[in-house]
Amino acid sequence: GAVVSQHPSRVICKSGTSVKIECRSLDFQATTMFWYRQFPKQSLMLMATSNEGSKATYEQGVEKDKFLINHASLTLSTLTVTSAHPEDSSFYICSARDRFVRSGSGYEQFFGPGTRLTVL
Amino acid sequence: SQQGEEDPQALSIQEGENATMNCSYKTSINNLQWYRQNSGRGLVHLILIRSNEREKHSGRLRVTLDTSKKSSSLLITASRAADTASYFCATERGYGNKLVFGAGTILRVKS
Repeated sequence: GAVVSQHPSRVICKSGTSVKIECRSLDFQATTMFWYRQFPKQSLMLMATSNEGSKATYEQGVEKDKFLINHASLTLSTLTVTSAHPEDSSFYICSARDRFVRSGSGYEQFFGPGTRLTVL
Repeated sequence: SQQGEEDPQALSIQEGENATMNCSYKTSINNLQWYRQNSGRGLVHLILIRSNEREKHSGRLRVTLDTSKKSSSLLITASRAADTASYFCATERGYGNKLVFGAGTILRVKS
C-alpha cells in the first residue's frame, strides 16, 4: 500500500531557530501534498496545499513567510518553521495524493505519521 | 475553518457494545471520509462514501450519509478495546479538492 513518511518524528528546538520537516511518498508519486497542524485534543487544520513545481497555496491566517513549503519533487515536500516560538509547538501532519490512484469519486490521500514539534 | 461538527465529543463504552458517532457539515460535498487516529499518531483511512451513496459497510464499520440533512454517522459494532482512538470525518467538496476535517470524537472502549 501507499506509504508516507515524515522526518523527524519528534523535534525539540530553542525559540528563534528554524526547523525543517520532511514529508516523503515512498512508493508512489504525489503531485499534491497537504500540510496540517493539530493541537492537543483538537482536529486537523489544513495549513497549505503543496503542488510539485509550483508555489504552495496557504489557508487563510497561515503566515507563508513563517511556514515555508517546498515541493521540489514528486516524492518530497518540506515544511520549514522559521524563527520558531513556543506557540508553534504542535503536531504537524502531511498527506500526499497519489496522482494515479483514484478512490471513490476522488483521489485518495495518504497520511504521514506526524511530527511533534516542541519549541522551548 | 472546520467544515462541521461531530458528536459526541467523547464517548465511553464497554467492550462488545456498539459505538455511534455523528458528523455534520455545511456545504455540498463530493464525498465524505472517516479516519481514525490513535493518540499521537497519524491518520488511518477507514471508509469513503460518495455523495450519491447512502450507506456503506466495511467489516465492523457501517457509515451512512444523508445529504439532505448534511450529516453522516459511523457505527462500530461489537467494539473492542483496540478501537479506542479519535475518529474524524472529513469532507471533500470538489473533485481532487482538499479535505476539511470535523472536530472529532474521542472513543474509549473499556475492557
